[in-house]
Amino acid sequence: GAVVSQHPSRVICKSGTSVKIECRSLDFQATTMFWYRQFPKQSLMLMATSNEGSKATYEQGVEKDKFLINHASLTLSTLTVTSAHPEDSSFYICSARDGPILGSYNEQFFGPGTRLTVL
Amino acid sequence: KQEVTQIPAALSVPEGENLVLNCSFTDSAIYNLQWFRQDPGKGLTSLLLIQSSQREQTSGRLNASLDKSSGRSTLYIAASQPGDSATYLCAPNAGKSTFGDGTTLTVKP
Repeated sequence: GAVVSQHPSRVICKSGTSVKIECRSLDFQATTMFWYRQFPKQSLMLMATSNEGSKATYEQGVEKDKFLINHASLTLSTLTVTSAHPEDSSFYICSARDGPILGSYNEQFFGPGTRLTVL
Repeated sequence: KQEVTQIPAALSVPEGENLVLNCSFTDSAIYNLQWFRQDPGKGLTSLLLIQSSQREQTSGRLNASLDKSSGRSTLYIAASQPGDSATYLCAPNAGKSTFGDGTTLTVKP
């Protein structure tokens, strides 16, 4: 199946700094990418949906100025957590869909996740 | 907005037992539904994908069914093993995948 990678897999940073997480589709073109966040012992919550070349669509309650998403190419999306605080510590997982048109066979492929710890 | 409920929240069974995990969702206009497993501190492992036109999918000891009209899916695990211990998540996809809270399964040797 299609492979999605994330980098870094784990990052520890100081409060107030910004952290960038990369999500790459390795063997397919991902017109649409999704970013999820998972707090300990909770499920995955969708943060935003990004389409290549356009602005991301954020879910209700997610601050777009704090979580900057760039989807500049068909194989790369980045999530930047700006001015990170301890409450931003979480597991961030990206997902990519291999097709722009919604249809029965458009599966979402998930990356391995990035664990962010803000001290 | 899609709401996904998984029952039970936790399940503990002895090795060898057959079991069923349940998933219900409110928006039946889905394209597909995936079942994942997640080990503690790890990412997602895709188990089965059922397209909206399908009724079930099988992979080894796993069988997933889908009743789209009633907004329900089940994951059947046959002859459970301790290695099956994990959290199981269902995710219906109506354009984007929405996750339930999962069922945490413990299989005791």
